[in-house]
Amino acid sequence: GENVEQHPSTLSVQEGDSAVIKCTYSDSASNYFPWYKQELGKRPQLIIDIRSNVGEKKDQRIAVTLNKTAKHFSLHITETQPEDSAVYFCAASSSGNTPLVFGKGTRLSVIA
Amino acid sequence: GAVVSQHPSRVICKSGTSVKIECRSLDFQATTMFWYRQFPKQSLMLMATSNEGSKATYEQGVEKDKFLINHASLTLSTLTVTSAHPEDSSFYICSAREAGAGTGELFFGEGSRLTVL
Repeated sequence: GENVEQHPSTLSVQEGDSAVIKCTYSDSASNYFPWYKQELGKRPQLIIDIRSNVGEKKDQRIAVTLNKTAKHFSLHITETQPEDSAVYFCAASSSGNTPLVFGKGTRLSVIA
Repeated sequence: GAVVSQHPSRVICKSGTSVKIECRSLDFQATTMFWYRQFPKQSLMLMATSNEGSKATYEQGVEKDKFLINHASLTLSTLTVTSAHPEDSSFYICSAREAGAGTGELFFGEGSRLTVL
């Protein structure tokens, strides 16, 4: 089955700096890669996703890149703000109605 | 986006009792729902896949007789934690995709925090 590895587990950045979180996956059949932001005690919120037919996607300060050959994808947050502080999870799934497999999460702290 | 509603949001029970958690897709039909469990400071771990009208598929290490899943309609799946013990205390989250959406966005319920005394 799919295995998703996520690094780093914790990340502290100064406000205004960029943050990068990286994930790798094992199943070459995976073709959907979402990123979720989770605040304490809340449900995960989708912030951006990418499918295997594109290499990059951007939404304002958030971007995701995908390298299918290397089986890794990354989340980039620019101009970080204190409200970006949360736990971020990457995930992967293959086609059809298959569940998402999550990485272990990255606790991002943005220091004002 | 689509809405998934989960109840109760918090439940405290005594050891040995059973607790039922409901997961509803409010504005779409879901032939499949997924149940995840999240322990403090850990990731979401898939427990089981709930299939409408058929038996659920459980992940390795998850006891099907302890975590009973029923998916009797296209909008409702329930998870019953039977004979709960303190080690079952966790955050349980359901999720669903719209039927026929293929590999689309997964919508999450609000989550249910179970505390077993």
